[in-house]
Amino acid sequence: NAGVMQNPRHLVRRRGQEARLRCSPMKGHSHVYWYRQLPEEGLKFMVYLQKENIIDESGMPKERFSAEFPKEGPSILRIQQVVRGDSAAYFCASSQPLGAGDNEQFFGPGTRLTVL
Amino acid sequence: LAKTTQPISMDSYEGQEVNITCSHNNIATNDYITWYQQFPSQGPRFIIQGYKTKVTNEVASLFIPADRKSSTLSLPRVSLSDTAVYYCLVGFLGGSSNTGKLIFGQGTTLQVKP
Repeated sequence: NAGVMQNPRHLVRRRGQEARLRCSPMKGHSHVYWYRQLPEEGLKFMVYLQKENIIDESGMPKERFSAEFPKEGPSILRIQQVVRGDSAAYFCASSQPLGAGDNEQFFGPGTRLTVL
Repeated sequence: LAKTTQPISMDSYEGQEVNITCSHNNIATNDYITWYQQFPSQGPRFIIQGYKTKVTNEVASLFIPADRKSSTLSLPRVSLSDTAVYYCLVGFLGGSSNTGKLIFGQGTTLQVKP
């Protein structure tokens, strides 16, 4: 059973470009979370999605950031018109539905975004 | 979610037992205590979760006193490969009651020396 997969692992963009980060959850998991980690800091929650639904986006910046988890295919975190402050590691995690077990979140290896 | 307080860093030597204590004075009745481990350039990895008393698995033990206002992660006989950041999280089943989102603090950076 493959773990959570993220790609690309490293992404370099120039200011003003768009960044697309992809996440494939573990098999059988229908819940996806995105977190951002700045250097020397802990992870910060951004958004929680189920298939075709955004459940909680309280940690998502109001502008330029969007996320989706379509019926088919991976979850996508999209950052438009990137700025240098967007440079960070972006982690995706997946889990079973709440109450379906121990609710453990399994994390992917992350995508390291560098904005030049 | 209950706020947690843990040491910023700790040093240890190979073969020693390491205990990392986390304070969570405002823990709620439904909250669990969960520890994650993160190696450099990797995503966090679940270590252990508990509600009260003691929990033990193949990698660690978690001690929780009766008042649940603190908890201690115990790593037996650490090795160099245990050098990592350890996060203590408190919440419903380890996350928020509504969405399960995890709230990470700064964590404890454990450095294991030879």
